[in-house]
Amino acid sequence: AQSVAQPEDQVNVAEGNPLTVKCTYSVSGNPYLFWYVQYPNRGLQFLLKYITGDNLVKGSYGFEAEFNKSQTSFHLKKPSALVSDSALYFCAVSSLTGRRALTFGSGTRLQVQP
Amino acid sequence: NAGVTQTPKFRVLKTGQSMTLLCAQDMNHEYMYWYRQDPGMGLRLIHYSVGEGTTAKGEVPDGYNVSRLKKQNFLLGLESAAPSQTSVYFCASSWTGSNQPQHFGDGTRLSIL
Repeated sequence: AQSVAQPEDQVNVAEGNPLTVKCTYSVSGNPYLFWYVQYPNRGLQFLLKYITGDNLVKGSYGFEAEFNKSQTSFHLKKPSALVSDSALYFCAVSSLTGRRALTFGSGTRLQVQP
Repeated sequence: NAGVTQTPKFRVLKTGQSMTLLCAQDMNHEYMYWYRQDPGMGLRLIHYSVGEGTTAKGEVPDGYNVSRLKKQNFLLGLESAAPSQTSVYFCASSWTGSNQPQHFGDGTRLSIL
């Protein structure tokens, strides 16, 4: 069975500081990894994905994520946080050999203080 | 270009009532999905469809039925609503499964009294 763990319910960071939102996964076969962001009363919006290739993936709004196969992690990062980045972030995994549909983590709330 | 549209946006039901949630996408996507979102649990897949006329069970299918009679529409039905089905329901679509990003609607907030 495939699964995703987001160990932090909430991450607090000051505006202008770097941020990291953690994600680890478990899946059979090669993983397809995704990050989504959710603003209040809205659906999820796609940020970035890792399918294959370069371990550092760049996405929307200045976000990037690093795939680490040995640690089965896919942490979301941004060099300089903005107050407008405050939202709920979800990591998700799928694979061709596992269940094809996405499995989501429980989400991490990011609070960026001015 | 509307993307994924869900109707209704809000609904309150009494236990035992039935209802249908409608999802429509205008991107010609093959795959469509229904999720429920509950606090602290992320999104859990209820049912999904890999094409017109096909449906499959997800993680939490009990108490729900779905139909995909047209490629652009995916209906989620609650036959006899229970308080445990109080949740926010999201529909999503994608070109294919696995390695394609999903596009989400803005959700239906459903309360069962």
